[in-house]
Amino acid sequence: GQQVMQIPQYQHVQEGEDFTTYCNSSTTLSNIQWYKQRPGGHPVFLIQLVKSGEVKKQKRLTFQFGEAKKNSSLHITATQTTDVGTYFCAGRSSGTYKYIFGTGTRLKVLA
Amino acid sequence: DTEVTQTPKHLVMGMTNKKSLKCEQHMGHRAMYWYKQKAKKPPELMFVYSYEKLSINESVPSRFSPECPNSSLLNLHLHALQPEDSALYLCASSQVHEPGSGNTIYFGEGSWLTVV
Repeated sequence: GQQVMQIPQYQHVQEGEDFTTYCNSSTTLSNIQWYKQRPGGHPVFLIQLVKSGEVKKQKRLTFQFGEAKKNSSLHITATQTTDVGTYFCAGRSSGTYKYIFGTGTRLKVLA
Repeated sequence: DTEVTQTPKHLVMGMTNKKSLKCEQHMGHRAMYWYKQKAKKPPELMFVYSYEKLSINESVPSRFSPECPNSSLLNLHLHALQPEDSALYLCASSQVHEPGSGNTIYFGEGSWLTVV
């Protein structure tokens, strides 16, 4: 079945450093979504990518969808303590209903 | 703040108890979901309701019984659970649930369930 892996599993950065998490799917995706879950909280939708090679920016966050639509990345520039949490990608294969969540990357930002 | 409301926020139940988790949304969404999330793991899909009909059951044990009384409400009835069922149960909704749709999934804050 479809599997979605993320690396790294954990990342500790100093405040102000950059951070990147990578999402890799075993199947070609129709679209991919990114979520952030704060400690003790629930997943919150960040963005959706649909087109091959698509790049979207939200302030300090840059999201990219791979050309082959099997991978994606989230890059945070100049991390802040408010960026702490677990970042999940969720991919949907074409013709299917379901989004499969990636394994997640837990980010800690040290002040 | 989420527009998907879940109750209760915390529930402790014995293995012989019967309890229910409740979820409500007033965004006019026609798809509603139950996810289960264990600590440090991603959410795992359990059930999907589309237009108040059960669309997906991810081979969930029968001790979990979903119910969708109307387009705004979603329940999860719990009976004879095991300690390993302890987890965060997340309700979610989206506009529709169809192949080809890229609808945003809105999650509730979840119900923390402990089975003793």
